[in-house]
Amino acid sequence: NAGVTQTPKFRVLKTGQSMTLLCAQDMNHEYMYWYRQDPGMGLRLIHYSVGEGTTAKGEVPDGYNVSRLKKQNFLLGLESAAPSQTSVYFCASSSREGLVSQPQHFGDGTRLSIL
Amino acid sequence: GQNIDQPTEMTATEGAIVQINCTYQTSGFNGLFWYQQHAGEAPTFLSYNVLDGLEEKGRFSSFLSRSKGYSYLLLKELQMKDSASYLCAPMDSNYQLIWGAGTKLIIKP
Repeated sequence: NAGVTQTPKFRVLKTGQSMTLLCAQDMNHEYMYWYRQDPGMGLRLIHYSVGEGTTAKGEVPDGYNVSRLKKQNFLLGLESAAPSQTSVYFCASSSREGLVSQPQHFGDGTRLSIL
Repeated sequence: GQNIDQPTEMTATEGAIVQINCTYQTSGFNGLFWYQQHAGEAPTFLSYNVLDGLEEKGRFSSFLSRSKGYSYLLLKELQMKDSASYLCAPMDSNYQLIWGAGTKLIIKP
């Protein structure tokens, strides 16, 4: 049972570099999310997707882009990394079952440092 | 605005009972989730309340009062492995989770 898999687990970047974080889920979930978590703060939603080919902005989308070309994958891109983007990034997914809200399932996170 | 209020840190003794409170204000409401997060790990789902009252799951119970914008998580028979952060997350009218900073629970022998 893989669930939600994030790659890479750790990465160090220099300011101005770009990179892509990959999230893959094998639960056939419709919804996928990218969060960042900083010390002393709650999870903050960056972008999310309600289905293949669709994405939407969350609370803190600036400096990030996303794509969901396949239902099982959700990519988060940093075009020009900045030290303020140093954080732990979590991907999550959830299903849509009628009118009942379903819990989000999280990947193990990507620890990203921008120097 | 939307906000969550939880105690930053709590300490309890192994074998005891602890109650972690959460008050919230959201634009609309579609239920409230509690998650557990061990240091350096991902959040994991504990419970979900959408109607007023108590939901029990083994040693963990969660309570909701929608009129008061209030929830609590009750942990019984505390074990050392329960040392973690507990995250309260109500769901707003857009079905987005609003996350608090969490309560760090420290269990002492």
